[in-house]
Amino acid sequence: GAGVSQSPSNKVTEKGKDVELRCDPISGHTALYWYRQSLGQGLEFLIYFQGNSAPDKSGLPSDRFSAERTGGSVSTLTIQRTQQEDSAVYLCASSLGGTTSSTDTQYFGPGTRLTVL
Amino acid sequence: AQKVTQAQTEISVVEKEDVTLDCVYETRDTTYYLFWYKQPPSGELVFLIRRNSFDEQNEISGRYSWNFQKSTSSFNFTITASQVVDSAVYFCALTADNYGQNFVFGPGTRLSVLP
Repeated sequence: GAGVSQSPSNKVTEKGKDVELRCDPISGHTALYWYRQSLGQGLEFLIYFQGNSAPDKSGLPSDRFSAERTGGSVSTLTIQRTQQEDSAVYLCASSLGGTTSSTDTQYFGPGTRLTVL
Repeated sequence: AQKVTQAQTEISVVEKEDVTLDCVYETRDTTYYLFWYKQPPSGELVFLIRRNSFDEQNEISGRYSWNFQKSTSSFNFTITASQVVDSAVYFCALTADNYGQNFVFGPGTRLSVLP
């Protein structure tokens, strides 16, 4: 597609269940980012992928969160044993390289709204 | 620790007025990168600008301009002749990472431009 897509757009789950969120970056973009936006915490950076590799996973809120990227394209963010505080909008972005490149631009997806009951 | 402050929670202006959104940052790193993003009511974040710490030149893009001052640790954003379509939440962000990791975002400023 032309832009970054995310699925599902909305996810309602029960506390304790696992969820998987998907991000399809723009074709050819090597950099992929996950962020979270919640009322209580604002916008938070979660993780960055350069290709299939995530050099630093310290932004993930807890060990219940994991992310992977395969084939330098699609990425999945998995939350195990969801808690109510995980309720948020999860945003994905991609760029050609890293966002500090002077010629690079981040493109964001529409987000996945996760509600944990 | 890095921190971004956007002291203005909400601003309302009338169309065609100029408006400046403030951003003050804290970092101990000598090399860092500053960003502005726009989040319109539709919710999708839009990247606006990136500025490197070693480049203090101000930038103008159409009705948008940015004033980066290292002496006051500020990276303010001005919209000239505001329009209703400028209504959005604007976020300032900071990272010291070369690869754009570990962003720290400000809390955002909600701008309402009234017709």
